[in-house]
Amino acid sequence: GAGVSQSPSNKVTEKGKDVELRCDPISGHTALYWYRQSLGQGLEFLIYFQGNSAPDKSGLPSDRFSAERTGGSVSTLTIQRTQQEDSAVYLCAITGTPTSTDTQYFGPGTRLTVL
Amino acid sequence: QKEVEQNSGPLSVPEGAIASLNCTYSDRVSQSFFWYRQYSGKSPELIMSIYSNGDKEDGRFTAQLNKASQYISLLIRDSQPSDSATYLCAVKMGGSNYKLTFGKGTLLTVNP
Repeated sequence: GAGVSQSPSNKVTEKGKDVELRCDPISGHTALYWYRQSLGQGLEFLIYFQGNSAPDKSGLPSDRFSAERTGGSVSTLTIQRTQQEDSAVYLCAITGTPTSTDTQYFGPGTRLTVL
Repeated sequence: QKEVEQNSGPLSVPEGAIASLNCTYSDRVSQSFFWYRQYSGKSPELIMSIYSNGDKEDGRFTAQLNKASQYISLLIRDSQPSDSATYLCAVKMGGSNYKLTFGKGTLLTVNP
C-alpha cells in the first residue's frame, strides 16, 4: 500500500542458506524501516534508514542480518545462514510521503519460511 | 524496558455493538500514538493517530488518549463483520522521533 512493493512475496529456503528480501518504495519518501512479524507476535523493529544518516541497526537480532539502502531508495535485507527461527513475515515501511510525514505505510511483506 | 501492552483477546462482539480496544504504554514522555488494523495475511494499515489528551473521532472510530494514565483506547461504533481484524497499538516512545513500538495486537471478531 501507499507505494511500497516488496519481493518476493513468499520465500522458502533451507536452513543455512542466505536470502535477500527487497523493498521498493515510492520516490520522495524520507525514511524506510524493516520490521519482522512472527506468528502471533507484534511487529519487531529491525532497522531504520533516514537520508544520508547512519542507519539505526539496533533491532537487528544477530550479525547474520544486514540491510542496505541504495541511492536513498530501494532497500535489501539480507539474512545469512538462515535458521528456522528466522521464519516470519518481513515488512518494509516508509514515512514522509507527500500525504503524510508521520504515518508509516507498510508494504505487503515477504513471508519467509526456513525449512 | 519500553513496552506497549494490549489485551490479546480475542474480543468478540455482535454486529452493531461497540468494540472497545485498550492499550497501555510504559514510557511517560511518549508523545505520538497510533492504531493500526491488520487483516489476516495482510500488512498493517493506519486507522488513526492521536497526539493530545482526549478523544479524536473519525467516522465510526474514536481514539482516546490519557497521558496521565498512559492509556490509549480505540472504540469502534456500529461494528461490522468487515471490522474483524487484529488491531495494533503503536507508540512513538519518548526520546525517539522515528521508532514505533508496537503492541502484540488484539484480535477482534464481529459476529453477524
